[in-house]
Amino acid sequence: AQSVTQLGSHVSVSEGALVLLRCNYSSSVPPYLFWYVQYPNQGLQLLLKYTSAATLVKGINGFEAEFKKSETSFHLTKPSAHMSDAAEYFCAVTRNTGGFKTIFGAGTRLFVKA
Amino acid sequence: NAGVTQTPKFQVLKTGQSMTLQCAQDMNHEYMSWYRQDPGMGLRLIHYSVGAGITDQGEVPNGYNVSRSTTEDFPLRLLSAAPSQTSVYFCASMPGDFGELFFGEGSRLTVL
Repeated sequence: AQSVTQLGSHVSVSEGALVLLRCNYSSSVPPYLFWYVQYPNQGLQLLLKYTSAATLVKGINGFEAEFKKSETSFHLTKPSAHMSDAAEYFCAVTRNTGGFKTIFGAGTRLFVKA
Repeated sequence: NAGVTQTPKFQVLKTGQSMTLQCAQDMNHEYMSWYRQDPGMGLRLIHYSVGAGITDQGEVPNGYNVSRSTTEDFPLRLLSAAPSQTSVYFCASMPGDFGELFFGEGSRLTVL
């Protein structure tokens, strides 16, 4: 069964510092990987997705993620954090196993300090 | 273009009551799904549908029923609410490939 593990339920960074949110997946075949962001009292919205076209994926708001098959990882980074980046971030994997199932990690809440 | 619309946004039930969470999308997406979000557990898939007339169970289907009579609508039914079903529920749709999920704004359900 596929699963997604996000390391760290809470991450705190200073404004202007590097953001690194970790995600590891387990899958017997190359998956489609996603990062979503959720702002307070809102639904989730897509940050970026990996669909095997390129291992380094650029998303919205300056975020990017690198797919590393050997490490089964898809970590999310941003060079310089902004106060507006404070939100909860979810890594997700989609596979077609008799239907398109998207499974989410537990989420990482990002705090940005002034 | 409304996207994915969920109603109601808030609901309080007593244990044993039944109710239906409504979900509608106007993007002609084949795939629709229901998730529940609980603190520290991310989003867990309840039921999903790959097209009208086709539904299947996700990770946590017990206590919930779904049906898909049209492409647009995918209601979630709680037959006999339990306190463990207190959660925030999200409906999502996706084009019929490995695309992104489009989420509604969520429905916050409290079962007393």
